[in-house]
Amino acid sequence: GENVEQHPSTLSVQEGDSAVIKCTYSDSASNYFPWYKQELGKRPQLIIDIRSNVGEKKDQRIAVTLNKTAKHFSLHITETQPEDSAVYFCAADAGGAQKLVFGQGTRLTINP
Amino acid sequence: DADVTQTPRNRITKTGKRIMLECSQTKGHDRMYWYRQDPGLGLRLIYYSFDVKDINKGEISDGYSVSRQAQAKFSLSLESAIPNQTALYFCATSGTTGSYEQYFGPGTRLTVT
Repeated sequence: GENVEQHPSTLSVQEGDSAVIKCTYSDSASNYFPWYKQELGKRPQLIIDIRSNVGEKKDQRIAVTLNKTAKHFSLHITETQPEDSAVYFCAADAGGAQKLVFGQGTRLTINP
Repeated sequence: DADVTQTPRNRITKTGKRIMLECSQTKGHDRMYWYRQDPGLGLRLIYYSFDVKDINKGEISDGYSVSRQAQAKFSLSLESAIPNQTALYFCATSGTTGSYEQYFGPGTRLTVT
């Protein structure tokens, strides 16, 4: 079945700098790759997603890139702000079935 | 986001007890999911249902069962709770057209002593 690996597990950056979180997946049939943000004590919420027919997608300070050949995708946050501090999860749909397999999560801390 | 609700929000129970966690949604979605969250392990799928008559096991279904009572309701049961089922449990829903976004409930923190 699908396996999603996420790195790093923790990331600390200075406010204003960029942050990059990387994920790899194993199932070549996967074609949907969302990223969720979970603030402390809150529920996970979708922040951006990408489908396999697209290589990159941007939404303001957030971007996601996908390399299907290498089976990896990354989240890029530019001009980080204190409110970006949270746990971020990548995911892939297992075998294209809209059943998500999540990575282990990255705790991002933005230092003022 | 009150569209997906979970009850109870917190529960402490003893080993061997049966416990039910309930999820309701007003989003009109057909697809519902149960996940558990443990530190360092992300979100792991327990069971999912793509419509009222469809129930499927996820990655970690042993020790759990589910019931889809209606389109809007999906319950998770622990038949005989054990301490390693102590975790944060999330219900989620998604639609069948357009976006694949999953909408999560607020979570239930379960402690088994």
